[in-house]
Amino acid sequence: GAVVSQHPSRVICKSGTSVKIECRSLDFQATTMFWYRQFPKKSLMLMATSNEGSKATYEQGVEKDKFLINHASLTLSTLTVTSAHPEDSSFYICSARGRGAGELFFGEGSRLTVL
Amino acid sequence: GIQVEQSPPDLILQEGANSTLRCNFSDSVNNLQWFHQNPWGQLINLFYIPSGTKQNGRLSATTVATERYSLLYISSSQTTDSGVYFCAVGPGGGNKLTFGTGTQLKVEL
Repeated sequence: GAVVSQHPSRVICKSGTSVKIECRSLDFQATTMFWYRQFPKKSLMLMATSNEGSKATYEQGVEKDKFLINHASLTLSTLTVTSAHPEDSSFYICSARGRGAGELFFGEGSRLTVL
Repeated sequence: GIQVEQSPPDLILQEGANSTLRCNFSDSVNNLQWFHQNPWGQLINLFYIPSGTKQNGRLSATTVATERYSLLYISSSQTTDSGVYFCAVGPGGGNKLTFGTGTQLKVEL
C-alpha cells in the first residue's frame, strides 16, 4: 500500500507557542489530505480537508485560525497549532488520497502535549 | 451527517478463538475501510471494501451496502490482534471518511 509519513511523532511544547506537524505522501501524489484528531479512548474526528493548492475546508467547530493547514505540494501538508494551550493536547493523524483513488492511507500520528 | 456504529464496543477473546465485528452506517456509501489501531496509535489499513467480500490471511470482511453494514471476521485470534478496530465510511469521490465508534479487542493467552 501507499506510505504516508508524519513528523514529529511526539512533541511537547509550552503554552502559547506554535507547533507544526508535517504529513508527507512518500510514494504517490496526494491530491487530497485530511487531518484528524483523536482524544484518549475515543474515535477519530475530522478537522479539515485540504486539496493541493487550495484553502482547507474546516469541519464545524474547528477554529481555522487556531489550526492552520497548508497543502502546498502534492506530497506535503502541514498542520500548525498556533498559540497552543493544554486543551490542544491530543493525537493528530493525517491521511492522504491519490487522484482518482478511493482508499485513504494514514500517517503514524503525532502526539502533542502542551504544558 | 452519516452515523457509524460499531459493535461490540469491547471484546475479550482467548487466543485461538474466532470473532465477528460489525459496522452499521446510516446512509449510502461508496467507500468503506477497516483499520486496526495498534497500541502506538498507528492506523493499519485492513480492507478497502465498499462492497463484496475480501480475505487476507486470518482476516476477512464483507460489506452489504444495500443493507448498510459491514462485518470483519477474525479467525484463530492471536495476542497481536489486540487493539482497536475502526470502520470508516464515506460517500466516495475523494470525500472524507467518517469513523465509527470502534471495537476494543483484547486477546488473552
